[in-house]
Amino acid sequence: SQTIHQWPATLVQPVGSPLSLECTVEGTSNPNLYWYRQAAGRGLQLLFYSVGIGQISSEVPQNLSASRPQDRQFILSSKKLLLSDSGFYLCAWSVRAGISHGYTFGSGTRLTVV
Amino acid sequence: AQSVSQHNHHVILSEAASLELGCNYSYGGTVNLFWYVQYPGQHLQLLLKYFSGDPLVKGIKGFEAEFIKSKFSFNLRKPSVQWSDTAEYFCAVTGTASKLTFGTGTRLQVTL
Repeated sequence: SQTIHQWPATLVQPVGSPLSLECTVEGTSNPNLYWYRQAAGRGLQLLFYSVGIGQISSEVPQNLSASRPQDRQFILSSKKLLLSDSGFYLCAWSVRAGISHGYTFGSGTRLTVV
Repeated sequence: AQSVSQHNHHVILSEAASLELGCNYSYGGTVNLFWYVQYPGQHLQLLLKYFSGDPLVKGIKGFEAEFIKSKFSFNLRKPSVQWSDTAEYFCAVTGTASKLTFGTGTRLQVTL
């Protein structure tokens, strides 16, 4: 069966420090991968999505970047965190051919920038 | 661009009350519609989905949703809520490129 792993679960980082959040998917090949941010009162905002290795699309301008070094690995990064980067970050995957099964989400990372 | 509106931000109901959460979307083409639920401390889970066919969709745990194309709506309903339904509910839509666009969510609190 397919599983999605996301870590760490919680993270407290000072302003200006770097960030690296990792997401891996098991049990499937060629998934579409997504990074969402969930902020209170703002729902889930799509940050990045990837349809293949090295292929990243950014949905909103921001202080973050994403990379996909392997087929089932998706990394969210920042060189210098801002206070406004605080939030709950969710990784998700869907089958490449369509989304008949919807998205499967990871357990999320709660990031607090202090 | 597609967008989703959930007008109820926080709903408080007593057990056994009926539930209807509103969801309206904006997209000119063929849409796929979803409701996701996030129970406290748990992952987002798919509650139900609409792709085509019968506009009344049945999901897990007694939930259902009705797609009304003329109203661009996909409201979530449950005849009798339980305390365990306390969660945050998200409506989502996808049109092109399989990208899900979510609403801002509705926090449902069910009291005993």
